[in-house]
Amino acid sequence: DIVMTQSPDSLAVSLGERATINCKSSQSILYSPNNKNFLAWYQQKPGQPPMLLFSWASTRESGVPDRFTGSGSGTDFTLTISSLQAEDVAVYYCQQYYSSPLTFGGGTKVEIK
Amino acid sequence: EERLVQSGGGRIHPGGSLRLSCDASGLGITLRQYVLAWVRQAPGKGLEWVSSISGTGSQTYYADSVKGRFAVSRDNSKKTLYLQMSTLRVEDTAVYYCAIGLGDSTTVNDWFDPWGQGTLVIVSS
Repeated sequence: DIVMTQSPDSLAVSLGERATINCKSSQSILYSPNNKNFLAWYQQKPGQPPMLLFSWASTRESGVPDRFTGSGSGTDFTLTISSLQAEDVAVYYCQQYYSSPLTFGGGTKVEIK
Repeated sequence: EERLVQSGGGRIHPGGSLRLSCDASGLGITLRQYVLAWVRQAPGKGLEWVSSISGTGSQTYYADSVKGRFAVSRDNSKKTLYLQMSTLRVEDTAVYYCAIGLGDSTTVNDWFDPWGQGTLVIVSS
């Protein structure tokens, strides 16, 4: 199984400041024939289901603000919120879809400092 | 608003059975073109993939933790996904989400959107 490890577990950032979340896979999730990374990012607010933010590590979903950026390749990935807004308070999860079983990171809780 | 509507769930004793349903009739998509999946979240914990089923229903995939106890199925004519859960354990207690897979309709390589609202299953004596 591919283990997804997120860091930190939680972070508190001032409004307007940058938040950076890391996600590391236990093996490469880059598919060489198409040079795509099989990684998604989700945002989950309290009492709500997860919402898809990115697929293919960096392809932003329609409607996701451009202050959110997904990056990385191979085994190391990053979700960056360039200027934290109050509505960004949530838990963020990465997920690999390279192989079964599909696995998620443990989540990173983002709060306002 | 296009969404998945879940039903079923509740409180059940260990060893019992329960069936969850997920109605996708509100979505303006041809459902057989999509994998459907179940993902669960234990109270205060992270997300765990449980099961996926291919667009036609011919292929099913399970996490080891539920293999042999849970059965996923779909009825594309009713635009509904099911999860039959048997021999339930205390550790199966979780909110169960259904979700649409956005990868190929025949494989398990999926990311998910949208998700249902979730339904709580509590396994307790």
